[in-house]
Amino acid sequence: AQSVAQPEDQVNVAEGNPLTVKCTYSVSGNPYLFWYVQYPNRGLQFLLKYITGDNLVKGSYGFEAEFNKSQTSFHLKKPSALVSDSALYFCAVRGRNDYKLSFGAGTTVTVRA
Amino acid sequence: GAGVSQSPRYKVAKRGQDVALRCDPISGHVSLFWYQQALGQGPEFLTYFQNEAQLDKSGLPSDRFFAERPEGSVSTLKIQRTQKEDSAVYLCASSLALGLTGGRGKTGELFFGEGSRLTVL
Repeated sequence: AQSVAQPEDQVNVAEGNPLTVKCTYSVSGNPYLFWYVQYPNRGLQFLLKYITGDNLVKGSYGFEAEFNKSQTSFHLKKPSALVSDSALYFCAVRGRNDYKLSFGAGTTVTVRA
Repeated sequence: GAGVSQSPRYKVAKRGQDVALRCDPISGHVSLFWYQQALGQGPEFLTYFQNEAQLDKSGLPSDRFFAERPEGSVSTLKIQRTQKEDSAVYLCASSLALGLTGGRGKTGELFFGEGSRLTVL
């Protein structure tokens, strides 16, 4: 079985400060890893994915994530947060021979001006 | 259209009523998923179609839930005799040909619609 843990329900940062949203995963074999963002009353929007290769993945809106196989983590980062980054963030995992994407419970990010 | 379209966006049903939720995926996307998102939770897998074939319905909570995609394009999620615990946002997602060997599509991300929020009174 595959699963995702997002240990923080909420992350609060000041605008301009670095933002980190934590994610650890469990899956059989090598993973495909994804981050999605959800704004109120909207669907999930894709941010970035790790498939293979470089452990540091760059995505939309200045976000990046680092894959760490030994720690089974895929933390989302942004060097300088914006107020408009305030949203709900989901980490997701899929096995390489699977089609089913499993999501974490989500982390609410609040960036204060 | 350019994205995944879902309708209705909001549905209020009385307990015991049947509801039907529609999903129009991105044109050409072979794979289609339904997810259920309860308040404050992450999306939970319900069912998966590849073209018109329903390959996995293991996430459907009960036999009151039924999904179809008869022509391999539009999909409908039907909930019979709705109960209060069915209240949630139902998300549809589509993707290029997941599960097939080779090709860019195998690793592709899911594209989600905006969801149908169901409230059962």
